[in-house]
Amino acid sequence: DGGITQSPKYLFRKEGQNVTLSCEQNLNHDAMYWYRQDPGQGLRLIYYSQIVNDFQKGDIAEGYSVSREKKESFPLTVTSAQKNPTAFYLCASSIAGGLAKNIQYFGAGTRLSVL
Amino acid sequence: GQQLNQSPQSMFIQEGEDVSMNCTSSSIFNTWLWYKQDPGEGPVLLIALYKAGELTSNGRLTAQFGITRKDSFLNISASIPSDVGIYFCAGQGGGSTLGRLYFGRGTQLTVWP
Repeated sequence: DGGITQSPKYLFRKEGQNVTLSCEQNLNHDAMYWYRQDPGQGLRLIYYSQIVNDFQKGDIAEGYSVSREKKESFPLTVTSAQKNPTAFYLCASSIAGGLAKNIQYFGAGTRLSVL
Repeated sequence: GQQLNQSPQSMFIQEGEDVSMNCTSSSIFNTWLWYKQDPGEGPVLLIALYKAGELTSNGRLTAQFGITRKDSFLNISASIPSDVGIYFCAGQGGGSTLGRLYFGRGTQLTVWP
């Protein structure tokens, strides 16, 4: 099955804890993205990566970190510095980041809650 | 970051009715996309528009890319219960933001049988 896999589906974080959300794609896409979704809000960009070993901050990067060591993987770490982490997190990928007509495809999301 | 103005925020309609929603931006976009999100899932692409004035259909869905390149609308005809969900518009600009998508806040659609 070709697609984008996010895990886990549900995640709980304790105070002061870092947690990592997984995103894997087997679409051979160069670009990958992380978005945060809060109720009644659109999707806000956290980080994106156009190529392996390179990534850029989006609009709300504070309190988050990412890595892109492999083309198919783009994990997101929610650090203890993120004071309001409860949200639905969506990972997306596209063929290439800097192209026109660049459709982004989404995973099924991870819902993060604070204990 | 830039946010698109999407309206209405929510709609409650009866099965069989037609639906219309729209999105506006203060900036020109080169691409408009419409996604649907089911509860607890990721958005799924419905329609992609690449040219000003373009009108594209996908089954009961029709979307148009505005002539000014600053707006787009989505129509759903003869709604059915499985149309329930959140519909998002997304725009892609040019220049240094090429490739980035900017999203509207979504239209929550409820369909009563």
